[in-house]
Amino acid sequence: GESVGLHLPTLSVQEGDNSIINCAYSNSASDYFIWYKQESGKGPQFIIDIRSNMDKRQGQRVTVLLNKTVKHLSLQIAATQPGDSAVYFCAENKSGGGNKLTFGTGTQLKVEL
Amino acid sequence: GAVVSQHPSRVICKSGTSVKIECRSLDFQATTMFWYRQFPKKSLMLMATSNEGSKATYEQGVEKDKFLINHASLTLSTLTVTSAHPEDSSFYICSAFTGSGANVLTFGAGSRLTVL
Repeated sequence: GESVGLHLPTLSVQEGDNSIINCAYSNSASDYFIWYKQESGKGPQFIIDIRSNMDKRQGQRVTVLLNKTVKHLSLQIAATQPGDSAVYFCAENKSGGGNKLTFGTGTQLKVEL
Repeated sequence: GAVVSQHPSRVICKSGTSVKIECRSLDFQATTMFWYRQFPKKSLMLMATSNEGSKATYEQGVEKDKFLINHASLTLSTLTVTSAHPEDSSFYICSAFTGSGANVLTFGAGSRLTVL
């Protein structure tokens, strides 16, 4: 399943399928990007990050892709599990911005059994 | 790994009272902490940057007299919502800058404030 965070705030996928969550950012001066997972009633949990000198980074079951040309970031989750159900936020940090993060609107991922 | 603890996790208060929320870095020193506010089904909005030993830096539109921030030590920042009103009800989340490594910001679990 695939979503655009700003236009499709909810993404539903079948367990075992791959999920793609998209994020558009606006600040071309941003040089560091992070994906966070937030479960209901909890604080954001770090998933994976990427710096602007890279276009792809892989973690355990997750991959982040960065396209600076179109200012687009995506999070791919392989073999989505029920425990992946949460809201996913992308966040950007501007170089020289003092580590202040600007968060995207978020995408609710629902994993169907 | 770095752990940030927030207390209380939930608080209910009467309108007009003040509420203090604590944010502690448990196993590292945090010269900088950030306070965010989150409404239901919305994103996190940065309220202020808390700097140890100096005044907090507030984002545009955030009332500094309403949301008092104190960062008196390298492991503790507090947010006091003064004269709280129902519109102040929200989820408040702090984060601390670990200063190193990939995960430079660690978030607390959040504090749910309900003002009656």
